[in-house]
Amino acid sequence: SQKIEQNSEALNIQEGKTATLTCNYTNYSPAYLQWYRQDPGRGPVFLLLIRENEKEKRKERLKVTFDTTLKQSLFHITASQPADSATYLCAPRGYNKLIFGAGTRLAVHP
Amino acid sequence: DTEVTQTPKHLVMGMTNKKSLKCEQHMGHRAMYWYKQKAKKPPELMFVYSYEKLSINESVPSRFSPECPNSSLLNLHLHALQPEDSALYLCASSQADWTPNTGELFFGEGSRLTVL
Repeated sequence: SQKIEQNSEALNIQEGKTATLTCNYTNYSPAYLQWYRQDPGRGPVFLLLIRENEKEKRKERLKVTFDTTLKQSLFHITASQPADSATYLCAPRGYNKLIFGAGTRLAVHP
Repeated sequence: DTEVTQTPKHLVMGMTNKKSLKCEQHMGHRAMYWYKQKAKKPPELMFVYSYEKLSINESVPSRFSPECPNSSLLNLHLHALQPEDSALYLCASSQADWTPNTGELFFGEGSRLTVL
């Protein structure tokens, strides 16, 4: 069955550093992959979409890579700020739907 | 207007009650979704409506009944729920449900449901 793995443990980093979050998937080949941010008790908010023929995508301080050989996406936040603290969900596109990973909680400390 | 509005924000109901969750969007999106999310778990897809027709039902128990009265509205009717159905119910919309260029989901803030 299709499976998505994100680090279940929280990632703690110092303000100003680069945060790197990992998303691994197995048993399918998504046409694209999305990343969302979710704050406690709120709905997810779309951040970036990267297609299977794209290696890298950037938006302001965010960068996403997509390696279809490794079946992995990396999500980077540069110059991180305490306001970046949230849970980040990856969502590869399955056959007919997005499938969400459980997310990685990021805590940026001043 | 890039909002998906869900009501109510909080709902407490008994196992014999009948209630409904409502969702509205005015972005002209033609796909609408219901997701269920438990604490520290990913959103799980329940239903997808595409052009006002039910296109995906993820084997959801019949005590959950979706309805799409028009392209802007999506309801989830609840009846005879169980305590384990307590969760955050998220509504989302997208331009369409089948192309990579329109795959971004816009989520509402959710309805927090507690079943006693």
